[in-house]
Parts: sequence; structure tokens; C-alpha cells
Amino acid sequence: AQSVSQHNHHVILSEAASLELGCNYSYGGTVNLFWYVQYPGQHLQLLLKYFSGDPLVKGIKGFEAEFIKSKFSFNLRKPSVQWSDTAEYFCAVIPATDSWGKLQFGAGTQVVVTP
Amino acid sequence: SQTIHQWPATLVQPVGSPLSLECTVEGTSNPNLYWYRQAAGRGLQLLFYSVGIGQISSEVPQNLSASRPQDRQFILSSKKLLLSDSGFYLCAWRGRDRGTDTQYFGPGTRLTVL
Repeated sequence: AQSVSQHNHHVILSEAASLELGCNYSYGGTVNLFWYVQYPGQHLQLLLKYFSGDPLVKGIKGFEAEFIKSKFSFNLRKPSVQWSDTAEYFCAVIPATDSWGKLQFGAGTQVVVTP
Repeated sequence: SQTIHQWPATLVQPVGSPLSLECTVEGTSNPNLYWYRQAAGRGLQLLFYSVGIGQISSEVPQNLSASRPQDRQFILSSKKLLLSDSGFYLCAWRGRDRGTDTQYFGPGTRLTVL
């Protein structure tokens, strides 16, 4: 069965620290990749996505992610976090052959940024 | 612009009681619609999706059902709730963003079954 793994369930870091959240998927074919974020009390929203082209994708709020096909990974990064980045982050995958667009999510990573 | 609504926002129900959660989308027509659930400590799991009125596909066997009585309305139901039905339920619709598909999520319903 296909799966999406996020390596860390909880991450605590200080403001200005760098953030990297791991995401691996188990699917041999072409995939579309997503990172979603849920800030406290807000809707789940899209941070960035990869469909094709440059494997380094830039998203909103200074986030970026790199697709490494050989490693089946799509890690999320931010060079310097702010307190407002406290949120839960979800990696998600849709196999390119899936015409219904069914997202498969990882378990999520709760990120807490301390002042 | 498109918006998605869910209600209620929170719900506390006894075991064995019925359930009806509603999702409506505005500003688009004939969208693909999805119900996801996030149980405590777990990621979001797709429960149902719909590509049109009356067309429902179930992803996992469970105590829940879904219906789409109107183009922009998606309902999640249960006849008798179980403790394991507790969780955070999210509705989503599929749109286009910069030429590629993206799912947009509603605010969610937090369901506690006691």
C-alpha cells in the first residue's frame, strides 16, 4: 500500500532557527507532492506543491521544498523561522495516475517556535 | 471567489446517536468534493469523494456514509456513532491553481463521541 511518512511528530525550536521537515513516500510512479499547513484556529492551507519542472519549489511565507526522486523525498525547509510559523505541517501525495485527485497525507508534524 | 463552509464547528454526541455534518461550496460548479478525517495523533485520511451529484466513492469501510444531494453540497452521516468516530472532519474541493490541481479545505468540524 502507498504511504507517506513524516519523520518527526513534534519539533520545538527557537525563533531564527532553521527548519527542515522530512517527508518520504512509497510509490514507484510519478507523483504530485504537496505541503499543507494548519495554523492554530485556521483552515488547512497549501504551502507549496510540486507537479513537474524545477525540483526546488518555493512556497508562501518563505518556505521551500526539494523533490529528490531517487530518495522518494519532498522535504520542507525554512532558513529562519518565526513565532508565527507555529503550526501543524502535513505532507501529501497524489499519484499522477489518480484522476480523482485523492490526497494521501502523512501523519503531520507539530512545530512549535519559541520566542 | 470560491469559499467552503462546514458546520457545525464542534459537536459532542453520545455513542449510538446519529450524525449529520454539512459542507457547502460557493463560487464554483461541479467540483470534486472530499471528506477527510484526522483522528488524534494521525494524519488526514480520505473517507469519501464525489465527482458529481449522487456520485459517492468510499475509500475505507466504516460506520459513516456520504451523500451529495446538490452540486455544491456534501453531507457526512452516520446512523449510530461509535467512540472511534471521534476526530476532526475536513471537507475539501478540488480547484485549479496556476494551472495545476489543488484541494482547498474547509474549517473543519471537531466531533467528540462520548
